[in-house]
Amino acid sequence: QVKLQQSGAELVKPGASVKLSCKTSGYTFSTSYMSWFKQIPGQSIEWIGMIYAGDGGTGYNQKFKGKATLTVDTSSSTAYMDLSSLTTEDSAVYFCARGIKYWGQGVMVTVSS
Amino acid sequence: DVVLTQTPPTLSATIGQSVSISCRSSQSLLDSDGDTYLNWLLQRPGQSPQLLIYSVSNLESGVPNRFSGSGSETDFTLKISGVEAEDLGVYYCMQATHAPLTFGSGTKLEIK
Repeated sequence: QVKLQQSGAELVKPGASVKLSCKTSGYTFSTSYMSWFKQIPGQSIEWIGMIYAGDGGTGYNQKFKGKATLTVDTSSSTAYMDLSSLTTEDSAVYFCARGIKYWGQGVMVTVSS
Repeated sequence: DVVLTQTPPTLSATIGQSVSISCRSSQSLLDSDGDTYLNWLLQRPGQSPQLLIYSVSNLESGVPNRFSGSGSETDFTLKISGVEAEDLGVYYCMQATHAPLTFGSGTKLEIK
């Protein structure tokens, strides 16, 4: 069955960067899209962007351009999201999702000195 | 960006009661391809969102048929016909017609 396994919780300092991973199985990764979402606890969900694993083509929510960079490694069926220049406003749970049907378990990123 | 306004923000229901959640869009969600990409998701406490309904009224595989969706253009409704204990959580409408994808603010369903 389809599985999306995200990396563990992160505690990072302001100004630093973090790379989140989403390892997939159970479907053909190289011909699929992967989306990433942000959810501050207790709030709604925001779409960050998506990437097509076939050619690495990306589309971003304007709000997250310059903040998030999406990449894939088709050899390991893994999607990545780099978050740069982190501030406390980036503290949130981040989800990867194939379409909107299959979701990773989410990873908490805490930005704190 | 498309703004989705959900009401009510909270809902308290007894087991077996039928409830409805409204989602109103700031723009028509009818796509040029004829489809309307308005979806409903449930996020149970501490879990990832789960797709319930896609394209207004299509029940996702494995989702109980007490869930139903209706609506068009800018006004949409999710109905639960006979709430069960497992239905507690936050319900989100979400549109994928216009970029960027956007979500409503959520409706929290509590069980009395």
